[in-house]
Amino acid sequence: EAGVAQSPRYKIIEKRQSVAFWCNPISGHATLYWYQQILGQGPKLLIQFQNNGVVDDSQLPKDRFSAERLKGVDSTLKIQPAKLEDSAVYLCASSLRDRPSYGYTFGSGTRLTVV
Amino acid sequence: GNSVTQMEGPVTLSEEAFLTINCTYTATGYPSLFWYVQYPGEGLQLLLKATKADDKGSNKGFEATYRKETTSFHLEKGSVQVSDSAVYFCALSDESAGGTSYGKLTFGQGTILTVHP
Repeated sequence: EAGVAQSPRYKIIEKRQSVAFWCNPISGHATLYWYQQILGQGPKLLIQFQNNGVVDDSQLPKDRFSAERLKGVDSTLKIQPAKLEDSAVYLCASSLRDRPSYGYTFGSGTRLTVV
Repeated sequence: GNSVTQMEGPVTLSEEAFLTINCTYTATGYPSLFWYVQYPGEGLQLLLKATKADDKGSNKGFEATYRKETTSFHLEKGSVQVSDSAVYFCALSDESAGGTSYGKLTFGQGTILTVHP
């Protein structure tokens, strides 16, 4: 079974620029998550999709972050404009059901550095 | 709200030493508890889980017991190896909340483990 694919692996941008990250979940996984992992901290949920609908985006800074999941498959997370504090690893995860205890697979992440 | 607190790190051990990483949690409902591991350059991998009180999760020699009375889920291994060097995260999901975010994992800050030969 192929894992959760993310790209790019690394990205360096200047503050106020825009950036987009892509995630392709495991085939058949209805639930997709984006987490932000700042250095030295645990991951924090930004947004959760069930198929192509948003379930939880309460922690997403909507003035600069946006995400979409077209056709209930792959997803894109965008930051515009980026700030220095957005430097982090952005992790995508998917699961068959919206219950972590049933299995949750993470991608390798995109490391973003904002300079 | 829900939260997870892990012991301060980093932890440095010699090979074959005993490992304990403490984890305590606060949750409004009846959470499921997890330990995830992150090896250098890789994504998070589930190490073990427990879904109800007194359950013991185990995998690759690691164990953790869900203690509701002390709200704890400490990770232990009797004899660590160099290959266990990684960052370990304790996490919970509140799947009984009945709300819309029961897919969410709440993580602790992570504990860096380094094992020397």
